[in-house]
Amino acid sequence: DAGVTQSPTHLIKTRGQHVTLRCSPISGHKSVSWYQQVLGQGPQFIFQYYEKEERGRGNFPDRFSARQFPNYSSELNVNALLLGDSALYLCASSFYRAYSSGANVLTFGAGSRLTVL
Amino acid sequence: AQSVSQHNHHVILSEAASLELGCNYSYGGTVNLFWYVQYPGQHLQLLLKYFSGDPLVKGIKGFEAEFIKSKFSFNLRKPSVQWSDTAEYFCAVNADGNKLVFGAGTILRVKS
Repeated sequence: DAGVTQSPTHLIKTRGQHVTLRCSPISGHKSVSWYQQVLGQGPQFIFQYYEKEERGRGNFPDRFSARQFPNYSSELNVNALLLGDSALYLCASSFYRAYSSGANVLTFGAGSRLTVL
Repeated sequence: AQSVSQHNHHVILSEAASLELGCNYSYGGTVNLFWYVQYPGQHLQLLLKYFSGDPLVKGIKGFEAEFIKSKFSFNLRKPSVQWSDTAEYFCAVNADGNKLVFGAGTILRVKS
């Protein structure tokens, strides 16, 4: 079984540009979450999508947006990039929306490392 | 807001030493607790989880963690570490429906 796949793995952008990151969840998983991991810190929650609807949003500005497609893959978009957006962006998938079941845990992808110059 | 505190950012141990990594969280209600591990060059992997029941949970590779509700803690332990345990370890809590709150991580280096 393929795990969570993310693309691209690395990319370099300049300030003011926009970026689109892509994620394919594990087959059968309907929930996709996005996290930002800045160097030296733990991952921070950005969004969760479930059945193509936004189900949760972290404390990030409106420059961050996402969507989920009918095949449950997802895109994260960041506009007007700032130096502080340099980070590893992680996608995670799970079967259910919430964590009420012990079987419902997040599986993470390898991430997309974004460098903003 | 929920928060997770990991007490040590860097830990260095010799092989066969015992390990305990501290994790405290701030939330008064029902929580689900996790430890994730990130080996060098690899992605985050689930080490173990606590949802309910026995507060002593066992994970992969000989790791275990104990949930102590009165202390808001979920410390990770391993009786004898190996060089291959060198990694970054993250404690995380879920109490808000659909997101995990992670600690800052502890980088463990095991000397062979």
